Amino acid sequence: AQKITQTQPGMFVQEKEAVTLDCTYDTSDPSYGLFWYKQPSSGEMIFLIYQGSYDQQNATEGRYSLNFQKARKSANLVISASQLGDSAMYFCAMREIYNFNKFYFGSGTKLNVKP
Amino acid sequence: GAGVSQSPSNKVTEKGKDVELRCDPISGHTALYWYRQRLGQGLEFLIYFQGNSAPDKSGLPSDRFSAERTGESVSTLTIQRTQQEDSAVYLCASSAESGQMNTEAFFGQGTRLTVV
Repeated sequence: AQKITQTQPGMFVQEKEAVTLDCTYDTSDPSYGLFWYKQPSSGEMIFLIYQGSYDQQNATEGRYSLNFQKARKSANLVISASQLGDSAMYFCAMREIYNFNKFYFGSGTKLNVKP
Repeated sequence: GAGVSQSPSNKVTEKGKDVELRCDPISGHTALYWYRQRLGQGLEFLIYFQGNSAPDKSGLPSDRFSAERTGESVSTLTIQRTQQEDSAVYLCASSAESGQMNTEAFFGQGTRLTVV
């Protein structure tokens, strides 16, 4: 089974609107961490936000927030007030307590922000 | 440097040739990762270093792939007898391995390998 599933290969959003990028994960470890990265066309991976499995509150970082639903094993990224510079690939990733050395990545979602 | 540096940024090689890809991690980062990203796909784990040791090589796709790290710094990924299926972007990442779950990995810009 896939550790990380991102079901939206591509998405469009109008500038200044909010958008949600989906991520579901599969683990039986008691502790794990979820990460979101942005990959612009330049190719580098930029860390955006982190959510720990025991965190009581959803993580927020500026315009990024994470809608963490532990029972559903989902960790969706919400980008508020989209900007043209948000156009990029977005990857969800996970590391597990019993396999600490690996970051498992999803296949990514390509977000296009329309002016 | 301030970030993870990879060289070359682009490499075109003939099928059957050997290639070496280099990664300079962030100074002081003990953990180093190699990933492969095929066009339009996610990141595929190749190998992990803790210091100069590679406790996890499980992602190396075949014995044509090898990697080493020296001085707890520079790492080299070597692909022998390259094949067209090896064409991909090879990403290196490093992490200040504090044992904390929330420690993120910092990535380089990648090496785009094209085997013709």
